[in-house]
Amino acid sequence: KQEVTQIPAALSVPEGENLVLNCSFTDSAIYNLQWFRQDPGKGLTSLLLIQSSQREQTSGRLNASLDKSSGRSTLYIAASQPGDSATYLCAVDSGTYKYIFGTGTRLKVLA
Amino acid sequence: NAGVTQTPKFQVLKTGQSMTLQCAQDMNHEYMSWYRQDPGMGLRLIHYSVGAGITDQGEVPNGYNVSRSTTEDFPLRLLSAAPSQTSVYFCASSYLTPPGQRAGNEQFFGPGTRLTVL
Repeated sequence: KQEVTQIPAALSVPEGENLVLNCSFTDSAIYNLQWFRQDPGKGLTSLLLIQSSQREQTSGRLNASLDKSSGRSTLYIAASQPGDSATYLCAVDSGTYKYIFGTGTRLKVLA
Repeated sequence: NAGVTQTPKFQVLKTGQSMTLQCAQDMNHEYMSWYRQDPGMGLRLIHYSVGAGITDQGEVPNGYNVSRSTTEDFPLRLLSAAPSQTSVYFCASSYLTPPGQRAGNEQFFGPGTRLTVL
């Protein structure tokens, strides 16, 4: 059974710092992995989707990497800003149409 | 495009009452799904559909029914609400890539329905 873990559960950093969020999964046979952002009381906004054949995806200050063999993905945020404060979630698609989510990392960027 | 829409945004029910949470998308997505989000539990898949007339169970299907009569709509029914169903419910949709092609498509989420069962 696929399990997805995100550590740490919460993170506070000063503005301007580069940071890395982690996502681990137990079954390396995945089709894709997606990173989301969730603001308090809101729905999920897709940030990046990495397909199984890809090693990384970039969008602006965000870079997501995927290492299937080690069961890990990282989301790199460059030059963090207070507006980046949110909960970041990763989700894994193992090809069964059943996406498995991690419990998220709650990020606070201090001005 | 409106994307994925959900109604209502908030709902309070009494134990034993029934209701339907509505979800619609205007992106012609084949795949639609329902999740519930509880503190410390993350999002858990309730039911999903890969096309009109085709539905299947997710991780936590008990107490919920779904149907998919059109591509656009995917309602979630609670037949007899219980306090354990107090949660935030999210609907999502995406294009569908057959598993054999080993590719995937981006999921789009609705704004959620916050349900309280007393």
